[in-house]
Amino acid sequence: AQSVTQPDIHITVSEGASLELRCNYSYGATPYLFWYVQSPGQGLQLLLKYFSGDTLVQGIKGFEAEFKRSQSSFNLRKPSVHWSDAAEYFCAVAATSGTYKYIFGTGTRLKVLA
Amino acid sequence: EADIYQTPRYLVIGTGKKITLECSQTMGHDKMYWYQQDPGMELHLIHYSYGVNSTEKGDLSSESTVSRIRTEHFPLTLESARPSHTSQYLCASSELTGVLNNEQFFGPGTRLTVL
Repeated sequence: AQSVTQPDIHITVSEGASLELRCNYSYGATPYLFWYVQSPGQGLQLLLKYFSGDTLVQGIKGFEAEFKRSQSSFNLRKPSVHWSDAAEYFCAVAATSGTYKYIFGTGTRLKVLA
Repeated sequence: EADIYQTPRYLVIGTGKKITLECSQTMGHDKMYWYQQDPGMELHLIHYSYGVNSTEKGDLSSESTVSRIRTEHFPLTLESARPSHTSQYLCASSELTGVLNNEQFFGPGTRLTVL
């Protein structure tokens, strides 16, 4: 069965520092992987996605993620965090056939210190 | 502008009331979804639809029901609200076919509180 683990519930970084949010998945084949961001009181916005090809994926707002099959990971990174990046971040995996339903992780809440 | 809308954004209601959460999209998408999200928890799929007159239950059991009479509209109904229904409900949509069209677009959510 598919599953997603985001081991860090909360992360605090200083503005301008680099960021890495961890995501590990369980799936029998190469999955489809997504990172979404949710600002308070808002819905989810897609940051980036991985289907196939280049394992380093560029997204919006300066985010990138790297798919590592050997580690079953899809970690999200940003070289320099801005105060507006404070939000909750969700990793999701989708099946590659059938219903293509998403399974979400529990999320990582990012706090940015000025 | 193509978008996905949810109303109301916030709802506080007493136990036993019937409520309907509205979701509409102008994306032209066939697939629509309802997720339930508790604070600090992951999103759980409670209903989805492939198109008009199609509704399926999701991974998380829910006492709510849905209907899909029009492509753009996917309302969720609770016949008798209870405090255990207090949660955030997120609606999403995606294209029907193909892996590359699997991106789900989310509405802003409805935060429901049942007293």
